[in-house]
Amino acid sequence: EVQLSESGGGLVQPGGSLRLSCAASGFTFSNYAMSWVRQAPGKGLEWVSSISGNGGSTYDADSVKGRFTISRDNSKNTLFLQMNSLGAEDTAVYYCAKNGRLSSSSWADYWGQGTLVTVSS
Amino acid sequence: DFQMTQSPSTLSASVGDRVTITCRASQSISNWLAWYQQKPGKAPKLLIYKASSLESGVPSRFSGSGSGTEFTLTINSLQPDDFATYYCQQYNSYWWTFGQGTKVEIK
Repeated sequence: EVQLSESGGGLVQPGGSLRLSCAASGFTFSNYAMSWVRQAPGKGLEWVSSISGNGGSTYDADSVKGRFTISRDNSKNTLFLQMNSLGAEDTAVYYCAKNGRLSSSSWADYWGQGTLVTVSS
Repeated sequence: DFQMTQSPSTLSASVGDRVTITCRASQSISNWLAWYQQKPGKAPKLLIYKASSLESGVPSRFSGSGSGTEFTLTINSLQPDDFATYYCQQYNSYWWTFGQGTKVEIK
């Protein structure tokens, strides 16, 4: 059974940093691209970043480019999102998602339960 | 950038109704489109990928169609469990785009 479990969310001050983790199990982690998708309170889904199966290619939304970095540790079946220079507009539930195939150009077939990031002073 | 426009934003329907949600892409995305269902406080759930392929375990009352720039999600005989928000997503490029969502409410 595929399982994705995010952690690392919480309250952070504007301008601060946070690192999210997503522990994966139930599939061969390195065979699939992975992604982060966020959802601001009461709003729709917004794609954040994706990373290829071997970690060699990453893609970021314009809204986070230069501030957020996606990475993965295939030896530990874990996906990360390093978030710097956080602003109020980054307040959201952050979901880790497994891509449906090796390519980052894919649908998301499994999602974690999400972790809430709140940026506020 | 790809823009995805869903309509309607809200839809009121009754149990047993046939429901259709439309998603339009700002440029052709071939059939690289997925549909998700999301209930309050829960993660999205994949329903359809590659425009018309039903994800394993998803009831057959859900179906998807379309290609190019216009796509539809149809729910035949709406069930109580189907009242939720539905999103389309393009993956023609590595930079995903989601539609703004369609909330299916009880009439």
